[in-house]
Amino acid sequence: DAGVIQSPRHEVTEMGQEVTLRCKPISGHNSLFWYRQTMMRGLELLIYFNNNVPIDDSGMPEDRFSAKMPNASFSTLKIQPSEPRDSAVYFCASTLELGGPNTGELFFGEGSRLTVL
Amino acid sequence: QQQVKQSPQSLIVQKGGISIINCAYENTAFDYFPWYQQFPGKGPALLIAIRPDVSEKKEGRFTISFNKSAKQFSLHIMDSQPGDSATYFCAARNSGGYNKLIFGAGTRLAVHP
Repeated sequence: DAGVIQSPRHEVTEMGQEVTLRCKPISGHNSLFWYRQTMMRGLELLIYFNNNVPIDDSGMPEDRFSAKMPNASFSTLKIQPSEPRDSAVYFCASTLELGGPNTGELFFGEGSRLTVL
Repeated sequence: QQQVKQSPQSLIVQKGGISIINCAYENTAFDYFPWYQQFPGKGPALLIAIRPDVSEKKEGRFTISFNKSAKQFSLHIMDSQPGDSATYFCAARNSGGYNKLIFGAGTRLAVHP
C-alpha cells in the first residue's frame, strides 16, 4: 500500500519566491496534518484538516503561510513570499479519525526539505 | 500547559545496554501518549503507545512506563542495538478530540557496537 506521498522531496529557492508543497494522504484517511521540523523548535503542528475542512490553523506562523485541501486525496502548503527562516523539513501526516476517545496512528510522509537562500 | 518536555536531548548507549528516555507533561486532559521513531531522511513512525489507565506497556524490547500522578512517562529500550539508533519523540494527545499530537523535542539515540 502506498503511504503518504509528499513532493517535492527537496526544494531550494531564493528569498521572496513562492513555494508550494504537496501531499497525497493515504486513501481512506479523513484527517491530514502539516508539521514543520527544525533543530531549534522540533516538530511543530502547523494546521490540520478533518474531512477536507481546516480545523485548527493556530500553528501557522504567519499570513505568508496558507494551506488548502480541495479534496480527500490532495493538500497543499504554500509559502509566499518565502524567507530564510522558513528553511525546515515539512511533513504531512494522515490518519483515520474515528471520533471520541478512539485514537488513530499518524502516518507521516518522508517530508519536503525546504531551503530558502 | 500544552508542552511535552523530553529528556535527554541525546543519548549514547553501548550495544546490549538499556536506553531510557523521559517525558513530562502538565495538561491532565492528555489521554494518549505515543512514542515515534525517526530515522534520518524519513518521517516519524509510531513505535509504541499507551493510555493513562495503564501503568506499563511492553512490545518486544520496547516498554513504556507511565506515572499518572507524576505526569511522567518514559521509554525503555532493552538490549539496545545499533539499528535502534534514531531520534525518538514522545507525544501527547488532548482528549478534546482529533489526533492532534503535541511532540516533545526529541532524543537522538546512538547505540555503539
